[in-house]
Amino acid sequence: GAVVSQHPSWVICKSGTSVKIECRSLDFQATTMFWYRQFPKQSLMLMATSNEGSKATYEQGVEKDKFLINHASLTLSTLTVTSAHPEDSSFYICSARDQRLPGANVLTFGAGSRLTVL
Amino acid sequence: EDQVTQSPEALRLQEGESSSLNCSYTVSGLRGLFWYRQDPGKGPEFLFTLYSAGEEKEKERLKATLTKKESFLHITAPKPEDSATYLCAVQAFGNQFYFGTGTSLTVIP
Repeated sequence: GAVVSQHPSWVICKSGTSVKIECRSLDFQATTMFWYRQFPKQSLMLMATSNEGSKATYEQGVEKDKFLINHASLTLSTLTVTSAHPEDSSFYICSARDQRLPGANVLTFGAGSRLTVL
Repeated sequence: EDQVTQSPEALRLQEGESSSLNCSYTVSGLRGLFWYRQDPGKGPEFLFTLYSAGEEKEKERLKATLTKKESFLHITAPKPEDSATYLCAVQAFGNQFYFGTGTSLTVIP
């Protein structure tokens, strides 16, 4: 089945630094990937839709200059949290759809990345 | 307004005690309803997709059902390894996915 790999699984950084999170589709090509943020005991909040070869589409309230998304290839999307602050600490999860699968609408998720900003 | 509501928020069961989780939804056109399992510190793992009212899917001790307004995830004779958060998501005709806040299930040996 479809596999989405996310790296790193956890990262600790100092306030003011930038952190990059990678999301890869391992055995399929994904023209579109999705980035979510999840707070403890809360649902997944869609941050942005990453589009290969074009600009990402951000959800209302998500700062595009704060959360930079790059989708340079059909198997890789990156999320960079710029000038991170403690309030950016969260669990970030990416997902993608394998259009080859019978249930092409199924979102396959990465394992998530836990970001802690000190 | 499109939304997904899951209940209960948390559920504790004795091993072998069957129960059901609820996912109620209001969306402007349903393309599909999805159930996921999420373990602590991990990404959601796909369980089922349901597309139309009356549809049922089964996998081991889990069975998902769908009506025009809600979906149930039935857990029969649960085991401790079934402990996790179960997420429901609805895809609307506009392709947006709406997630519920999940039900945290704990199965006690």
